[in-house]
Amino acid sequence: DIQMTQSPSSLSASVGDRVTISCRASQTISNDLNWYHLKPGKAPKLLIYAASTLQSGVPSRFSGSGSGTDFTLTISSLQPEDFASYYCQQSYSLSKTFGQGTKLEIK
Amino acid sequence: QVQLQESGPGLVKPSQTLSLTCIVSGGSISSVSYYWTWIRQPPGKGLEWIGFISYSGSTYYNPSLKSRVTISLDTSTNQFSLSLTSVTAADTAVYYCAREKSDYNGDTFFDYWGQGTLVTVSS
Repeated sequence: DIQMTQSPSSLSASVGDRVTISCRASQTISNDLNWYHLKPGKAPKLLIYAASTLQSGVPSRFSGSGSGTDFTLTISSLQPEDFASYYCQQSYSLSKTFGQGTKLEIK
Repeated sequence: QVQLQESGPGLVKPSQTLSLTCIVSGGSISSVSYYWTWIRQPPGKGLEWIGFISYSGSTYYNPSLKSRVTISLDTSTNQFSLSLTSVTAADTAVYYCAREKSDYNGDTFFDYWGQGTLVTVSS
């Protein structure tokens, strides 16, 4: 299995801050990397696919970059609804794997 | 707008079989380019991919769960199901159903998810 490692595991920030979450794959995965946003009791939401393509309807403050083994999710100016958990996921192999998640909390 | 909704028992006894159904609305489960998927999240832990079934009925499972998992498709009712046998407390989790889309570039991603349902394994 391809292992996905996210950092940090938790992050405290304020509304308006710029934050960056990293994701590293245990082997090269080209640009086959997706990012999701999870809130308890709600359906998870796709934010970014193919490393840098913004899913339709997702605000432009979200952006993704990277290829190969190292990837980044950036939120340019945090809004109250952004405080949640974020997961990266590789779609390179048939057997999908996720990072362990990053919990973004209000400072 | 595609919607997915999980249903099934919230409590299962150890050694028994966990059975869940995902009802798909707003789109056909028989459409090409979609893979109907189950994912779970144990309390306090990350997401674990369980497996998928394609529109044609082909399946692929997480190797760590393969011996206990079956995913099936019912096109007449537009739903798909998960069966997990011989459950233990380690199978306690929020179970999500999701649609994996393969787009024209060959990129694949989970574009629609259900809200999830908590299944507790306990006697």
